[in-house]
Amino acid sequence: AQTVTQSQPEMSVQEAETVTLSCTYDTSESDYYLFWYKQPPSRQMILVIRQEAYKQQNATENRFSVNFQKAAKSFSLKISDSQLGDAAMYFCAYRASGGSNYKLTFGKGTLLTVNP
Amino acid sequence: DAGVIQSPRHEVTEMGQEVTLRCKPISGHNSLFWYRQTMMRGLELLIYFNNNVPIDDSGMPEDRFSAKMPNASFSTLKIQPSEPRDSAVYFCASSLDYRETQYFGPGTRLLVL
Repeated sequence: AQTVTQSQPEMSVQEAETVTLSCTYDTSESDYYLFWYKQPPSRQMILVIRQEAYKQQNATENRFSVNFQKAAKSFSLKISDSQLGDAAMYFCAYRASGGSNYKLTFGKGTLLTVNP
Repeated sequence: DAGVIQSPRHEVTEMGQEVTLRCKPISGHNSLFWYRQTMMRGLELLIYFNNNVPIDDSGMPEDRFSAKMPNASFSTLKIQPSEPRDSAVYFCASSLDYRETQYFGPGTRLLVL
């Protein structure tokens, strides 16, 4: 079974600085998708970024980028120029592709605090 | 374009009462998912619908839980009778197709006293 591990229960960063959140996963699949979701205090689950495993180029969305290391099964999220609004719980998620794979497997989350 | 809509946002009820949670997926999405989030177990998939048909309900905790999707724009998750251990945040998510990205609603925070 696939598992997703977020080894940092909590992280903090100063406003305008850069922070990296870690995620590792375990799978025997060769093709899959990885996601980072953000959950602010409002509890809304917001998609931050998505990476297809077959793409070697790391995904980027404005201040958010990932470091995808397929061989190491690592998928870290970098937040540049951190803003107060980035404070949230961040979840890493995995989904196999192909066949009838639809199930998202989530990590336990990392609580990010942004200090002014 | 409106996102996934869930109601109510908060529900407080007493043990033994029936609870119904509602979800309106994004228009045009044919896949709908119900998740439960607790501190102990994190986010768990309860049930998945494709084109209004339940495909996988293996995550439904027990017979007290039931879900329906009578049409493409509406789904319900019902708990009867409710128990304190059902207290959690329940999310509905939809996707264009089961292979596409899932978009979540704001969640319903359920407290069973």
